[in-house]
Amino acid sequence: ELKVEQNPLFLSMQEGKNYTIYCNYSTTSDRLYWYRQDPGKSLESLFVLLSNGAVKQEGRLMASLDTKARLSTLHITAAVHDLSATYFCAVDGGSQGNLIFGKGTKLSVKP
Amino acid sequence: DSGVTQTPKHLITATGQRVTLRCSPRSGDLSVYWYQQSLDQGLQFLIQYYNGEERAKGNILERFSAQQFPDLHSELNLSSLELGDSALYFCASSARGLATYNEQFFGPGTRLTVL
Repeated sequence: ELKVEQNPLFLSMQEGKNYTIYCNYSTTSDRLYWYRQDPGKSLESLFVLLSNGAVKQEGRLMASLDTKARLSTLHITAAVHDLSATYFCAVDGGSQGNLIFGKGTKLSVKP
Repeated sequence: DSGVTQTPKHLITATGQRVTLRCSPRSGDLSVYWYQQSLDQGLQFLIQYYNGEERAKGNILERFSAQQFPDLHSELNLSSLELGDSALYFCASSARGLATYNEQFFGPGTRLTVL
């Protein structure tokens, strides 16, 4: 069974600090997706990582992919309150067309 | 705004009833996916349609069904509703079949409450 595991599931940070969210997956997929969800809202696509070693950055967020280790990381630099949300990683569901999502990491950035 | 639309935004109904959720994909996207999000189960894939045909099924109950119409909009039908069906239902679309990767764009969701 294809599994996607994120940790931590809950993260309380102070503004200005750095932290990393980890996403481990059990498939051999070389594509990984990161999404952001605000409470009660939809999922917003953040990053699409398409190959081993891929790194993408947007503002204070940087995502990377190591397909050999089956690991992706989402690094947060100098956190600000606006980054408070739940972050999901997902991988392709193989022959099925769906994405398999992790349980999400609920990030709370406090002043 | 992802370009995916869903109606209604909220739906409150009683156990045993039947409801229909509607989704319009982004312009040009042929694939539509339905997901259920609940606190205990997380994001669960229900079903996928591609250009009018069912492509994949996930953890979809027999009481649930879906279809995709010639104009590519999709409907998810939920019947004999139970309290446990209360959840956020998302529709997503992608250009799968035209692109080499499967970035999916999510609609705003329909919050279903079964009383």
